[in-house]
Amino acid sequence: NAGVTQTPKFRILKIGQSMTLQCAQDMNHNYMYWYRQDPGMGLKLIYYSVGAGITDKGEVPNGYNVSRSTTEDFPLRLELAAPSQTSVYFCASSYSRYQPQHFGDGTRLSIL
Amino acid sequence: ELKVEQNPLFLSMQEGKNYTIYCNYSTTSDRLYWYRQDPGKSLESLFVLLSNGAVKQEGRLMASLDTKARLSTLHITAAVHDLSATYFCNFGNEKLTFGTGTRLTIIP
Repeated sequence: NAGVTQTPKFRILKIGQSMTLQCAQDMNHNYMYWYRQDPGMGLKLIYYSVGAGITDKGEVPNGYNVSRSTTEDFPLRLELAAPSQTSVYFCASSYSRYQPQHFGDGTRLSIL
Repeated sequence: ELKVEQNPLFLSMQEGKNYTIYCNYSTTSDRLYWYRQDPGKSLESLFVLLSNGAVKQEGRLMASLDTKARLSTLHITAAVHDLSATYFCNFGNEKLTFGTGTRLTIIP
């Protein structure tokens, strides 16, 4: 199984550009999450979803949007990129709230 | 708001020694996870603790949870170089909160 797949792995954006970070899981997990990790720091939750069609804000949602039209996919959209959004973005999934999360390899995003 | 504090933030220890990483949280929580992250890599699940008094062990690592004290510990026994990594605790209900991490370096 592929697990959690994130694309792209690296990306450089200019200020004001938009992009979508893709996340897909093949484990039939209900819960999916987006985190950002700034250098030397822990992870902060951006958005999460408990199932298709259901999303909710995490700790740092400003500047991001998500959708969950299928169980497998949970894309993260940056509408107007800002330097403060330079970070490593991790997508994760879990079968339930009582199961550990499986993480993707991350997307390293730089905004210049 | 749930706050999670890990200490120490940085830890260098010699091979063969024992040490404990602490994770304190500010409100009640019904679940607790420990993860490991190698430099430049993703996170790997180590332990899931779901009840007061829960203890889990895997190799040289043992995790415990005391919900009354709002404390979880990760104990390292007879450290080896392969355990060098950053360790995170992760608490919360729907909105999971990560600790700041403990960067562990094992010195030969």
